[in-house]
Amino acid sequence: QKEVEQDPGPLSVPEGAIVSLNCTYSNSAFQYFMWYRQYSRKGPELLMYTYSSGNKEDGRFTAQVDKSSKYISLFIRDSQPSDSATYLCAMRRNSGNTPLVFGKGTRLSVIA
Amino acid sequence: SQTIHQWPATLVQPVGSPLSLECTVEGTSNPNLYWYRQAAGRGLQLLFYSVGIGQISSEVPQNLSASRPQDRQFILSSKKLLLSDSGFYLCAWRAPSNEQFFGPGTRLTVL
Repeated sequence: QKEVEQDPGPLSVPEGAIVSLNCTYSNSAFQYFMWYRQYSRKGPELLMYTYSSGNKEDGRFTAQVDKSSKYISLFIRDSQPSDSATYLCAMRRNSGNTPLVFGKGTRLSVIA
Repeated sequence: SQTIHQWPATLVQPVGSPLSLECTVEGTSNPNLYWYRQAAGRGLQLLFYSVGIGQISSEVPQNLSASRPQDRQFILSSKKLLLSDSGFYLCAWRAPSNEQFFGPGTRLTVL
């Protein structure tokens, strides 16, 4: 079983839709959770950062962490064509210098 | 504010040639630094990370090497490139808050 699983998509939605992106993980020691957005031929951009469980909202984006289910989500409200990108989840244990573990990314297309 | 730079942005090299990619970070001191490779259709592969000057941890055995000659400088090198070294190379740094930020990347094509 991979440490982090993420559906690669592609996911295609109409403009204005609510988008739900998800990752599951197997290591209960993960404490730091991040979502990145990566446009084609660009470096990943940090969108959301959450420590432990709970929700975090930033504009049209909401990140949720459910540690009991080992499941994290990113919701995008009122999706726009500019949201078309690959979204990567990432997480890290709460100890020392352990590197981030990434999902493989979900490719999202928002159609105008 | 912190900024991370990578150069060159794109590179086309013949098989067997050497490689040197550079990453520098501004606006922070003693950051954890990382080199990743992202091949087409694949996820991010961690290659090396460094917690300080001269301290390099290798995650994947290969013909690449890394060095950290200065606090905010991280270099990825190879003596002889292989076709399989083609990809998108990303440098990243980790903030004290544990957030991790990426540079703009270097697209390497080995012919």
